Amino acid sequence: GQSLEQPSEVTAVEGAIVQINCTYQTSGFYGLSWYQQHDGGAPTFLSYNALDGLEETGRFSSFLSRSDSYGYLLLQELQMKDSASYFCAGYILTGGGNKLTFGTGTQLKVEL
Amino acid sequence: EAQVTQNPRYLITVTGKKLTVTCSQNMNHEYMSWYRQDPGLGLRQIYYSMNVEVTDKGDVPEGYKVSRKEKRNFPLILESPSPNQTSLYFCASGGDTDTGELFFGEGSRLTVL
Repeated sequence: GQSLEQPSEVTAVEGAIVQINCTYQTSGFYGLSWYQQHDGGAPTFLSYNALDGLEETGRFSSFLSRSDSYGYLLLQELQMKDSASYFCAGYILTGGGNKLTFGTGTQLKVEL
Repeated sequence: EAQVTQNPRYLITVTGKKLTVTCSQNMNHEYMSWYRQDPGLGLRQIYYSMNVEVTDKGDVPEGYKVSRKEKRNFPLILESPSPNQTSLYFCASGGDTDTGELFFGEGSRLTVL
């Protein structure tokens, strides 16, 4: 089956850098996305890695290593508004198309 | 404005009473999907659709049906809802393999008594 593992909770201080890891076990994997979700809200897209390496988008960066079945989301210059849940999501090619499996999410708490 | 619209946003119903949650997108996306979100379990895919008349099961399809008769609409049907289907449901579209971006609706909170 497919599974993506993330830490359940991470705490960091404002202005710091935090890394949220995601390890996956899945066949047919071809890409990893990251989403942010604030309480009561819809998930919003942050980043996508179709290739190994680092993708940078402002304060957020995402990394993928297929050989290690591992990725991470890096958040720099943390702000209070970054307190939210973060999900990695793996794209899997199936006979029917693109199946997307989400990790269980990481609750990030940013403190003063 | 590019958006995914779900209705209803909130619904309380009783066991066995058929219901449909509608989902519509205005971005001409081929890919659409449904997820349910439960505490501690993250987002789990129910069904997805690669295009009109093309649907496939996700990880938790039992008790649900979908249809894709038009590109913009992807309704989720609960033929005989049960209390274990009480959840927060999200519809999403996009999923282009070049960008990997999904656009989510605002969510539909369903309670089955």
